[in-house]
Amino acid sequence: DVKVTQSSRYLVKRTGEKVFLECVQDMDHENMFWYRQDPGLGLRLIYFSYDVKMKEKGDIPEGYSVSREKKERFSLILESASTNQTSMYLCAISPPKRGEKLFFGSGTQLSVL
Amino acid sequence: GNSVTQMEGPVTLSEEAFLTINCTYTATGYPSLFWYVQYPGEGLQLLLKATKADDKGSNKGFEATYRKETTSFHLEKGSVQVSDSAVYFCALSGDYKLSFGAGTTVTVRA
Repeated sequence: DVKVTQSSRYLVKRTGEKVFLECVQDMDHENMFWYRQDPGLGLRLIYFSYDVKMKEKGDIPEGYSVSREKKERFSLILESASTNQTSMYLCAISPPKRGEKLFFGSGTQLSVL
Repeated sequence: GNSVTQMEGPVTLSEEAFLTINCTYTATGYPSLFWYVQYPGEGLQLLLKATKADDKGSNKGFEATYRKETTSFHLEKGSVQVSDSAVYFCALSGDYKLSFGAGTTVTVRA
């Protein structure tokens, strides 16, 4: 079974805090993604990475950064958390072949107070 | 750019009713199309996919046909069960990333 593990299921942070969301995979897949899920808006891509130390902006990168120092780990960083970043954050992976499906983690529900 | 427009919910049905969730897309090239499902308290998982025009994806009694002429990929199930209650997402792949619709919440009552 594919495992995509997100470090926390629920997280509560204060405005202005620096927040790290971690994602670890056990499938050796090149592609890793961070999405946020909001009611009525579906999933929106924040950042993705197709290789170690490589990153590409998604549709809504503002206020976020990412780090991929090792192939199996992809971190999402909120430099200074704000209340509008309260959301469900989903990590996903896929093999490098075009059109392949994504495997998702269980998600991290982040609340910024 | 690529985008997906999905029927708004929520949708409430009785068991054994027919379910249709509409999905249309805008894309350049020849994308693959997907339906993902999210059961309560769980992560997203692939329900079915189609990779080229006229392909039909099917799984767990659900079906969707890739219609290039109408740029659509509607999801259907002939007889729903309570266990089909979930959020359904239509998605489109451009290169290596997926673009998702807003999601449709389906509740099936016994």
